[in-house]
Amino acid sequence: DGGITQSPKYLFRKEGQNVTLSCEQNLNHDAMYWYRQDPGQGLRLIYYSQIVNDFQKGDIAEGYSVSREKKESFPLTVTSAQKNPTAFYLCASRGDIAGANSYNEQFFGPGTRLTVL
Amino acid sequence: KQEVTQIPAALSVPEGENLVLNCSFTDSAIYNLQWFRQDPGKGLTSLLLIQSSQREQTSGRLNASLDKSSGRSTLYIAASQPGDSATYLCAVLMDSSYKLIFGSGTRLLVRP
Repeated sequence: DGGITQSPKYLFRKEGQNVTLSCEQNLNHDAMYWYRQDPGQGLRLIYYSQIVNDFQKGDIAEGYSVSREKKESFPLTVTSAQKNPTAFYLCASRGDIAGANSYNEQFFGPGTRLTVL
Repeated sequence: KQEVTQIPAALSVPEGENLVLNCSFTDSAIYNLQWFRQDPGKGLTSLLLIQSSQREQTSGRLNASLDKSSGRSTLYIAASQPGDSATYLCAVLMDSSYKLIFGSGTRLLVRP
């Protein structure tokens, strides 16, 4: 089955600890995204990558880092510099914006819920 | 700066009703508009995508329309069912970037 997987489903972080959230896709999509969702709020873009070995900051990148060494993978690290990391994190991907109609559609993974202890 | 607004924020209807969810955006230079469904604690499921050149898209009981010039889209749900209860989000993809801009969603409850 084609799709996006995120792991773990639940993650607990202690104060001062870095944690990494995994995102893998087998849709052969070029672009990948990380969003944060807080209760009662919309989705906010953290980082995005349009191609391997390249990524850009979104609206709330402070305290987060990413890498894009493979087309299929886009891990997100929540660093100790992120003061309020408790949230629901969603990964997404999309194909070539100039391609066929289906490639314009953005797909999401099931999410990771991060809680700071 | 693009802003996307969804009205109402919450909606409760009896089963069987036809209903309309609204989405408005301030900048008409969009590439496409996408409607999503989100169940509690879950990721987003894509429902319909409308290209900027299209007027509407249909999938089963769902119909989405787009009026780019007035900055509006509607999601029509026919014969609503309790299983339709979820949060519905719309998002626009800007011409100038790869980024989706999301509305804050409409939380729908369909009562049996």
